Amino acid sequence: TQLLEQSPQFLSIQEGENLTVYCNSSSVFSSLQWYRQEPGEGPVLLVTVVTGGEVKKLKRLTFQFGDARKDSSLHITAAQPGDTGLYLCAGPWGGSNYKLTFGKGTLLTVNP
Amino acid sequence: DTAVSQTPKYLVTQMGNDKSIKCEQNLGHDTMYWYKQDSKKFLKIMFSYNNKELIINETVPNRFSPKSPDKAHLNLHINSLELGDSAVYFCASSSLQGGEQFFGPGTRLTVL
Repeated sequence: TQLLEQSPQFLSIQEGENLTVYCNSSSVFSSLQWYRQEPGEGPVLLVTVVTGGEVKKLKRLTFQFGDARKDSSLHITAAQPGDTGLYLCAGPWGGSNYKLTFGKGTLLTVNP
Repeated sequence: DTAVSQTPKYLVTQMGNDKSIKCEQNLGHDTMYWYKQDSKKFLKIMFSYNNKELIINETVPNRFSPKSPDKAHLNLHINSLELGDSAVYFCASSSLQGGEQFFGPGTRLTVL
């Protein structure tokens, strides 16, 4: 059973378009992290959301943590080819803050 | 300077062989991890060490044996390699419980 469900699995858009990807769970998380992974590289942390209802902005990326801390979304405004990558959400689980469970990711392709 | 480094980057070997992957971090972190990312990009934790002590051991076959000679190094030895072991293996480290994890560039293991 996947604790964190991400959607869509694949997304291909044109440069300049806006998009939103989702990370959903039936479980409450104390925090959620978003990572971006580029081909041939390891994931890199973009943001951590901790408080229910929290909104964090990172340039053209807006992250939101659901009020009930069961879901999160990532909105990208005016996507650029450099945004291409695998977007992963992750959260601590199993009673250990060391143990992260990852969603299966959204593979985003932004075409010039 | 590379924060988390892994060697080798690519590893191609025959079924039944034994191989090792090495990981080093120069971030001064106390906790290190091994993850496996399968062909569908699903990232799953395998092991975690904190101050050279094993703290997480997910249901990984005992053919996989991690070894941490010191806080900065976490190696992964795999015995009797099987076709299903083919994947990308990532090492990561973190300084805080539930905090950002810094990933290495990955080792792509192909078992023929």
